[in-house]
Amino acid sequence: DQQVKQNSPSLSVQEGRISILNCDYTNSMFDYFLWYKKYPAEGPTFLISISSIKDKNEDGRFTVFLNKSAKHLSLHIVPSQPGDSAVYFCAASAGYSGGGADGLTFGKGTHLIIQP
Amino acid sequence: SQTIHQWPATLVQPVGSPLSLECTVEGTSNPNLYWYRQAAGRGLQLLFYSVGIGQISSEVPQNLSASRPQDRQFILSSKKLLLSDSGFYLCAWSVELNTQYFGPGTRLTVL
Repeated sequence: DQQVKQNSPSLSVQEGRISILNCDYTNSMFDYFLWYKKYPAEGPTFLISISSIKDKNEDGRFTVFLNKSAKHLSLHIVPSQPGDSAVYFCAASAGYSGGGADGLTFGKGTHLIIQP
Repeated sequence: SQTIHQWPATLVQPVGSPLSLECTVEGTSNPNLYWYRQAAGRGLQLLFYSVGIGQISSEVPQNLSASRPQDRQFILSSKKLLLSDSGFYLCAWSVELNTQYFGPGTRLTVL
């Protein structure tokens, strides 16, 4: 049972345009969500997070939107740059409110390709 | 600043051989520590996590085990590797708010 789903294995976007990566979840106990960027043969790099008490968090070119009723979040990258080409993982946690140490549940990732 | 190290970076082992992967964290105290595995074409799967020395929680039953002999050291082990153990193993740490930071990973190939 996959609790975090990234239904697009890959996404191709032209440089300078907006990249929108989507993520759906099924576990209503999730209260903290994160996006990671990963290059081949490297560990994931933390990008941005959002707690369930918010619906938007912005950090530079990256914005994460959370729609709790739809159990959906998205990552917007604007403008997209060649260095953004990587695999992006959505992750969720159910321990935020309690300061828990539980591990994250990850989606399978979306390979973002920025075309020149 | 905090840094996390993993070694070895790559490892090729025969089926049935033992395994020991090491992870250490610098620049923080009493971190939560995690082991994940990314198999080919799949997302990251949590294997173990630890909130303190000697405290290990297992998420997936398998032939792997973990130990935390020191505050900032986390070890992933196996007595006998299987072909299905091949993958990219990632260690991560966190101190609060569940934001986890990952190490560079170990690529394990079991032949």
